[in-house]
Parts: sequence; structure tokens; C-alpha cells
Amino acid sequence: DAKTTQPPSMDCAEGRAANLPCNHSTISGNEYVYWYRQIHSQGPQYIIHGLKNNETNEMASLIITEDRKSSTLILPHATLRDTAVYYCIVRDLAGNNRKLIWGLGTSLAVNP
Amino acid sequence: KAGVTQTPRYLIKTRGQQVTLSCSPISGHRSVSWYQQTPGQGLQFLFEYFSETQRNKGNFPGRFSGRQFSNSRSEMNVSTLELGDSALYLCASSLDLTVQETQYFGPGTRLLVL
Repeated sequence: DAKTTQPPSMDCAEGRAANLPCNHSTISGNEYVYWYRQIHSQGPQYIIHGLKNNETNEMASLIITEDRKSSTLILPHATLRDTAVYYCIVRDLAGNNRKLIWGLGTSLAVNP
Repeated sequence: KAGVTQTPRYLIKTRGQQVTLSCSPISGHRSVSWYQQTPGQGLQFLFEYFSETQRNKGNFPGRFSGRQFSNSRSEMNVSTLELGDSALYLCASSLDLTVQETQYFGPGTRLLVL
């Protein structure tokens, strides 16, 4: 089962920041939080990942709470091309098992 | 660098047939994972290969198999196709088996079983 919970859908106005929340209350100390997005049946696209510190790259910022039980992906200036399903994933470390366990994600609609 | 490539992109088969899907990882990547995506189940892990050896396996029946070649290219095979095997099959590659190593996905092969 997925170890994360996300709202099923969100809306955002074009040009505004999109803040996508994710709960991962059972995360263990060495597990990373990964974010991917999938645009209409294409292959998932890697966005960002982090362990405990906040991270930023050219696509987005990742804010992880101090207790690591939740995180927020921030798209600072959303565009119509950011409309996609966003997946928050905790990397399964059981027995060196590296598989990604996917939930149903958040469907983000960026509106003009 | 070229990304992960998968062939074919689309495939139509009938029940009982078998199918082979191919994945070429990013140059230099040695680990390849396969996932099945359906509307009802989302993305589900099939298996992972590294250095021509299966390292991890998901909860799929034995009809689903795979292999990896010495150049890191991978194939997956589904025998005795069922209607429920209709799905988007995704391949992801990463450099090695380091736990935090990022996986990069290909565009997928869309399989329709009639």
C-alpha cells in the first residue's frame, strides 16, 4: 500500500503558486520523499526529492516538515503546462527494496 | 543524453497471445524497473533488473517475466494475455542500486488486449 496521502484534486490560477500537500506520517528515518508528475498518459516525470531539508531546483521547491510527517511541493509560477497528476512517493527501503510505491496522486488543474 | 526509450509505443493483441516489450535505458544507467499502470490500480511495480539479474519483484503472476542484457537494455514478456493486462507499461532507468538514486521514466507502451 502507498505510504502517502494526497488530495485527489486541486485548482490553481495561471501565474500563481501551486502548493501541493502530502502526508507521510509513517515515514521512517532513512526514507526519501520523491515527487513525480504525469501529464496525460505520458511517462512520469521526475520533479524533486528530499530527505529532511528543504530542496529547490529549476522546477519546484520541496518543503518537508521538521517531524517529516508531511511535505509540500511548490510550483512558484504555475503555467497551463503544469496541469498534470502529481505523485508524492516515499521510497520503500524494506530489505533494500527500492521500488516506488505509488498512490493515486493529486490532479492539478491550472486555469487561465 | 537521450532519455529512456520504449518500443513499441502501441500494441494490440488478443487473449491468449504473448507480447514482448523493449526498454533502452539512459546511456550509462544500469538499473531498469518496470511498472504497470491501469486506471483502477494506478502504477504498480513489476520488477527491477541490474547487471542482468532480477533484484526486486512485485506481486504479479508468473506470466509476467523480464530480462536484462549486457548492454542494460531490458525486455519484459507477458504470456497468455488476459483482458486485464491492458495497460500502460512503463520502464524506468537509474544509474545503479543506490537507494536514493532517481528513476527516470520512458514514454511507455500502451497495450490493448482484445
